[in-house]
Amino acid sequence: AQKVTQAQTEISVVEKEDVTLDCVYETRDTTYYLFWYKQPPSGELVFLIRRNSFDEQNEISGRYSWNFQKSTSSFNFTITASQVVDSAVYFCALERNTGNQFYFGTGTSLTVIP
Amino acid sequence: EAQVTQNPRYLITVTGKKLTVTCSQNMNHEYMSWYRQDPGLGLRQIYYSMNVEVTDKGDVPEGYKVSRKEKRNFPLILESPSPNQTSLYFCASGNFDSPLHFGNGTRLTVT
Repeated sequence: AQKVTQAQTEISVVEKEDVTLDCVYETRDTTYYLFWYKQPPSGELVFLIRRNSFDEQNEISGRYSWNFQKSTSSFNFTITASQVVDSAVYFCALERNTGNQFYFGTGTSLTVIP
Repeated sequence: EAQVTQNPRYLITVTGKKLTVTCSQNMNHEYMSWYRQDPGLGLRQIYYSMNVEVTDKGDVPEGYKVSRKEKRNFPLILESPSPNQTSLYFCASGNFDSPLHFGNGTRLTVT
């Protein structure tokens, strides 16, 4: 069975602090894809990153970085020097290799305090 | 502009009154799906479609129907809505090897 766990329900940080959002997944598939989506207060879902299971290289995009470790089944997301605009709910998700089934975590609500 | 369009954005209805939430995408995506978002539960897949006339159940299909008669459209039908279907609904589309594109959501309230 597939499962994505985001144990942190809510996080609050002060602006300019770094914050890491945890994501742990379960799957028996050897090929799969991992995602992060952002849901700002306006409600839409914004794609952040997609990573396949064979690519364990960390990725950095501006203030965002992702750490993928297959050994611990984790795909953590770090925001450096957080800003108020980063306040949102962040979802981690797993896509099976079949390309038709997606499993989302329950989300982490991040509040960045000015 | 490439987008997934859902309508309506907000809908209030009564128990048992059939309703349809429309979803249309202009990116020629083969894959489309519906999700519901509930507090503490994240997004859960209702139905998905790999192509025209091909649909399949996700994790929470009970009480919902879908159809895929055209590639661009994937309506979600609630034949007899109940209060436990009050939720935020998202339609999404994509192709293999690409991320999902989501609509802006439909907030449904069933009284």
